[in-house]
Amino acid sequence: NAGVTQTPKFQVLKTGQSMTLQCAQDMNHNSMYWYRQDPGMGLRLIYYSASEGTTDKGEVPNGYNVSRLNKREFSLRLESAAPSQTSVYFCASSEAGGAHQPQHFGDGTRLSIL
Amino acid sequence: GNSVTQMEGPVTLSEEAFLTINCTYTATGYPSLFWYVQYPGEGLQLLLKATKADDKGSNKGFEATYRKETTSFHLEKGSVQVSDSAVYFCALDYNTDKLIFGTGTRLQVFP
Repeated sequence: NAGVTQTPKFQVLKTGQSMTLQCAQDMNHNSMYWYRQDPGMGLRLIYYSASEGTTDKGEVPNGYNVSRLNKREFSLRLESAAPSQTSVYFCASSEAGGAHQPQHFGDGTRLSIL
Repeated sequence: GNSVTQMEGPVTLSEEAFLTINCTYTATGYPSLFWYVQYPGEGLQLLLKATKADDKGSNKGFEATYRKETTSFHLEKGSVQVSDSAVYFCALDYNTDKLIFGTGTRLQVFP
């Protein structure tokens, strides 16, 4: 019963390096999300994908790109990492249908940019 | 705009004490309201939800009532356990399949 799987769990990068965070879900959900979690700020939406082949910006998209590879997978890429992107990143998924659907979260990727 | 405000933590309680974590919201229309819980080292899990005014969500002894007149969705539990220690997030969904989260409230329960 995997649910939402994120890789890697931890990563340390140097400023300017690039990296892709991977996310996969096995619940046949249409919608997928990437959040970042910072102390005192809760979770903020970076990007989301309402269905395969579509993506849209969230609250804090600058410095990130995403790719909805297929229905299962939704990756987040940092092209040139900056210290301000040090955070814990969470992927989530939910059923289609708009309102009222709870989101299911992965265990997170803890990313440090030096 | 739409937003969620939670009481700041940490909330520190002894086992079997009564818990209240306050949550108020600002939203146009009629959002759905959620409480999520995050245990150490894990992602968020849905704890309970309510989709319309006066609905009461409940799970694992926790309850919250959707109060439109006070725009509130306070989380309560009659008798907390050490295992309830976690961070609790209030969130709203304003009918667009996207959640807006509060900043989270850390609960620490001591034996």
